[in-house]
Amino acid sequence: DQQVKQNSPSLSVQEGRISILNCDYTNSMFDYFLWYKKYPAEGPTFLISISSIKDKNEDGRFTVFLNKSAKHLSLHIVPSQPGDSAVYFCAASGTNAGKSTFGDGTTLTVKP
Amino acid sequence: NAGVMQNPRHLVRRRGQEARLRCSPMKGHSHVYWYRQLPEEGLKFMVYLQKENIIDESGMPKERFSAEFPKEGPSILRIQQVVRGDSAAYFCASSTRGLRSSPLHFGNGTRLTVT
Repeated sequence: DQQVKQNSPSLSVQEGRISILNCDYTNSMFDYFLWYKKYPAEGPTFLISISSIKDKNEDGRFTVFLNKSAKHLSLHIVPSQPGDSAVYFCAASGTNAGKSTFGDGTTLTVKP
Repeated sequence: NAGVMQNPRHLVRRRGQEARLRCSPMKGHSHVYWYRQLPEEGLKFMVYLQKENIIDESGMPKERFSAEFPKEGPSILRIQQVVRGDSAAYFCASSTRGLRSSPLHFGNGTRLTVT
């Protein structure tokens, strides 16, 4: 039973356009959500997070949207840059963000 | 480099041998987590430790796997009598506090290959 799902294994976007990465979850107990970015042969790097009491959080080019009723969140990157090409993991947690449940990741490719 | 340090980066073991993976958390971080990533999958939580204490090991296989975070020295993930299915990337992460507002800082992982 996969509690956090990223249904698109890959996404290709042109440089300068918007990238939208999606994530669905099933466990209503999750109340904190995080996005991590991972380059090959490196560990994941924290990108942005959102608490369940919010529906939007923005940090520079990155915005995360949360729709609690649909149990859905999305990460928007605008404008997309070639350096954004990486695997993006959605993660969900309860009281401890360290004990997170991760999705399988979406590989984003931004073409120059 | 003040980041999370894991070693070795690559480890090859024959079936039945023991694997020891080491992790030094970021300076000032007292919470350590181990995650495992199988090929084409996401990271799976294994264990959460603080100094000298295992806080949550709900993700650890019941047999052959153990973890410790001693008062002095790095955290160790130990896998006894390895099998081919243990081949994976093992990531260690640390945080300042075990709270929802404390995202993880990951090391670059140890890639274990069991032959």
